[in-house]
Amino acid sequence: KAGVTQTPRYLIKTRGQQVTLSCSPISGHRSVSWYQQTPGQGLQFLFEYFSETQRNKGNFPGRFSGRQFSNSRSEMNVSTLELGDSALYLCASSSTPQGSGANVLTFGAGSRLTVL
Amino acid sequence: GESVGLHLPTLSVQEGDNSIINCAYSNSASDYFIWYKQESGKGPQFIIDIRSNMDKRQGQRVTVLLNKTVKHLSLQIAATQPGDSAVYFCAESENQGGKLIFGQGTELSVKP
Repeated sequence: KAGVTQTPRYLIKTRGQQVTLSCSPISGHRSVSWYQQTPGQGLQFLFEYFSETQRNKGNFPGRFSGRQFSNSRSEMNVSTLELGDSALYLCASSSTPQGSGANVLTFGAGSRLTVL
Repeated sequence: GESVGLHLPTLSVQEGDNSIINCAYSNSASDYFIWYKQESGKGPQFIIDIRSNMDKRQGQRVTVLLNKTVKHLSLQIAATQPGDSAVYFCAESENQGGKLIFGQGTELSVKP
């Protein structure tokens, strides 16, 4: 069974540009969550999507957005990039049925974004 | 705001010894706790979880203990091996699906 796949693995952008990251969840998983990981702030929750709807949102500015498609694949977008957006962006999927409690998240290897 | 923190940022142990990684949490409403392991260049990997109605859960070579009175979580690794070297994160959730609050992480180094 394939794991969570994130693309691209590495990318370099300059300030002011925008970036789109992609995540393919484990087959059958309908929930996709995104996290930002930096040395200073650690792992921070960005947002969660379930059945194409945003179910939860973290404390990030509106420059960070996401969406989920009918096949459960998800994308996140960061507009007007800042130096501080340099981070490892992790996607995780789970089979959590809507309305139930927390479930085990399976993470991808991440997309390493460097903003120059 | 609410946060989950770790007592020790680094832990060095001898191969074959037992390891204990500690974690403090502050949200008394959290009802689900998880430990993840992250190796260099990889995403976090699930180790073990525990719900707030339990105080102990065992897996293969790992045990998680939950003390709700003092809001403390620990991960015990028996007979630590070099392959256990990684950064370990505790995380908590307040019944919010994919939203986890992670601790800062503890780096475990196993000496052969």
